[in-house]
Amino acid sequence: QVQLVESGGGVVQPGGSLRLSCGASGFTFNTFTIHWVRQAPGKGLEWVAVISSDGSNKHYADSVKGRFTISRDNSKNTLYLEMTNLGTEDTALYFCARGLSTGWYSAVQYWGQGTLVTVSS
Amino acid sequence: EIVLTQSPGTLSVSPGERATLSCKTSQNVYTTYLAWYQQRPGQAPRLLIYGTSSRATGIPDRFSGSGSGTDFTLTISRLEPEDFAVYFCQQYGTSPWTFGQGTKVEIK
Repeated sequence: QVQLVESGGGVVQPGGSLRLSCGASGFTFNTFTIHWVRQAPGKGLEWVAVISSDGSNKHYADSVKGRFTISRDNSKNTLYLEMTNLGTEDTALYFCARGLSTGWYSAVQYWGQGTLVTVSS
Repeated sequence: EIVLTQSPGTLSVSPGERATLSCKTSQNVYTTYLAWYQQRPGQAPRLLIYGTSSRATGIPDRFSGSGSGTDFTLTISRLEPEDFAVYFCQQYGTSPWTFGQGTKVEIK
C-alpha cells in the first residue's frame, strides 16, 4: 500500500534552517508529482510546494518562495523540503502528499502523518 | 492566486440529517480541478471528492459534490457519527494550489 513517512521536524530558532524528508513506498515514486502541505496548530491547510515526477518543475506558495526549496531523489524514493530563514509563522505540521494521478494537476489522495516544525526562541 | 471561501465556518447538524457545505472561488475554476477533503482530529486529511463530483475510492455515496464556475457544494445526505469533522475544498488547476479555510461540521 502507498506509504509516505515524513521526518526531520523539530524545534528551531527564528532565522534558523531545517530539512524535512519524506520517504515513499508502495508505488512507483518517479512517476508522481509530490506536494508539501502544512497546517499551523488549530488552523487550516496551506499548500507549500510541489515538484514534478522528474524534479524539473517546481512551484512554491508566495509565503515560502525564496526561503524553501523542494527537491527529490528518485533513486532513494525520497522527497525533501529545505527550509531557511524560518519565522514563527512557519510553525506547523508539514505533510507530504501524493496526487491521485500521475498528472501535474491532480487532487491529493495520499498523505503522510506529518512532521511538526516549531519555530521558537 | 485563487481564493476559496467556505461557508459556514461551523455547521451544527443532528445525526441522520443533511449537511450542505459551500465553497466559493475568487475566479472560475474548471470542474476538473475542484476537490473536497475531510479531516478528523489528529488525522491527516482524506480525499472525498475530486473533479467536483467524483468520489474517491472507498468514499460512501452519502457524500456528493456539485457546482461549476465559482460556486461549489459538498452535500452529506445523512450524517453518520464519523462524519463530524472539518471539511476543506481545494482548487488544483492553477498554481498556487489553494485551500478553503474549512467548515467544521459539529453535532447539534
